[in-house]
Amino acid sequence: EVQLLESGGGLVQPGGSLRLSCVASGFTFSTYAMSWVRQFPGRGLEWVSVISGSGGSTYYADSVKGRFTISRDPSKNTLSLQMNSLRAEDTAVYYCAKTPFTMTMQPYFDYWGQGTLVTVSS
Amino acid sequence: EIVLTQSPGTLSLSPGERVTLSCRASQSISSSHLAWYQQHPAQAPRLLIYGASSRATGIPDRFSGSGSGTDFTLTISRLEPEDFAVYYCQQYGSSPLTFGGGTTVEIK
Repeated sequence: EVQLLESGGGLVQPGGSLRLSCVASGFTFSTYAMSWVRQFPGRGLEWVSVISGSGGSTYYADSVKGRFTISRDPSKNTLSLQMNSLRAEDTAVYYCAKTPFTMTMQPYFDYWGQGTLVTVSS
Repeated sequence: EIVLTQSPGTLSLSPGERVTLSCRASQSISSSHLAWYQQHPAQAPRLLIYGASSRATGIPDRFSGSGSGTDFTLTISRLEPEDFAVYYCQQYGSSPLTFGGGTTVEIK
């Protein structure tokens, strides 16, 4: 059974940093591209970033480019998202999501974690 | 960027009814790269349909997807109690991938 378990969310001040993690199980982690997708309080969904199965290719939404960094550690079956220079508009639930591809810039998502809430506020 | 418009915003229906949800794209979606997701309150989205019409693993056959180009449809042939939820479409044919705003299917 595929399981994705996120952690690391919380309250942070504008301009601050936060690191999200997602531990994956139930599939061969290094085979599949992984993504972060966020859901705003008004329920809208926005894709954030994707990383290839090998970790060698990464892509970002324009809204987070230069501020967020996606990475993966195959030895720990862990996906991470380093978020810097956070803004109020980054407030959202962040989901870790598995894709059925080794790599694509535009995936769909066959499994999702339960999400972790990030609140950016002073 | 392709904008996806879902309609209607909310549907009030009874168990057993048939429902058709619409997802319209601002430009043609290549290779019918459209997916549908279901989300219950405080839960993660669940993949229902990919490739416009292929059911994901474990999805009951009362769910079906159709369409091409700019117009896509998700049909639930007979609503079960667990089908009352929010439904989102997502296109992955063009960068950046984008989601629709969702349609809520609520109990009448």
